[in-house]
Amino acid sequence: AQSVTQLGSHVSVSEGALVLLRCNYSSSVPPYLFWYVQYPNQGLQLLLKYTSAATLVKGINGFEAEFKKSETSFHLTKPSAHMSDAAEYFCAVSSSGTYKYIFGTGTRLKVLA
Amino acid sequence: DTGVSQNPRHKITKRGQNVTFRCDPISEHNRLYWYRQTLGQGPEFLTYFQNEAQLEKSRLLSDRFSAERPKGSFSTLEIQRTEQGDSAMYLCASSLDLDGELFFGEGSRLTVL
Repeated sequence: AQSVTQLGSHVSVSEGALVLLRCNYSSSVPPYLFWYVQYPNQGLQLLLKYTSAATLVKGINGFEAEFKKSETSFHLTKPSAHMSDAAEYFCAVSSSGTYKYIFGTGTRLKVLA
Repeated sequence: DTGVSQNPRHKITKRGQNVTFRCDPISEHNRLYWYRQTLGQGPEFLTYFQNEAQLEKSRLLSDRFSAERPKGSFSTLEIQRTEQGDSAMYLCASSLDLDGELFFGEGSRLTVL
């Protein structure tokens, strides 16, 4: 069985500060890992994905995430937060050849001016 | 607009009534998914279609729920005899590849009074 745990349902950072959103996964097979962002009243949009290639994955809007097998983690980072980054972020796990994505409970990011 | 389209965006109904949601996926996508999202939770998998075939139905879907995808194009999700616990955002997503990105619609929010 696969699962995802996102630590911190709410994270606040100052504009220009580092963004770090945490995601730990559990999977009995090599995982595929995703980060999605959801702006208010909108659908989820893919930020980045890991599918067993490079462990450091770069995504859109300056976000990146590093797959660490030893820590079963896939944390999302951005060097400098922007007001437009305020949204809810979801980590998800699946595996090769499957169609079922398991999502975490989400982290709401607030950016302070 | 070639994104995933869902309607209605909002539906308020009384307990016991039937409701139907429609999803129009991206035209070349043969895979279609329904997820449910409640407040403070991540999306939960409900069902998956490959073309017109419904390949899996989550245990979250009681017998009151039915989904169809005639001709492998649009899909409908019907909830019969709605209950207050059915209040949620119903998300539709489509994808081209089995391990590929899910493209989400903006969701249909159901409120059962």
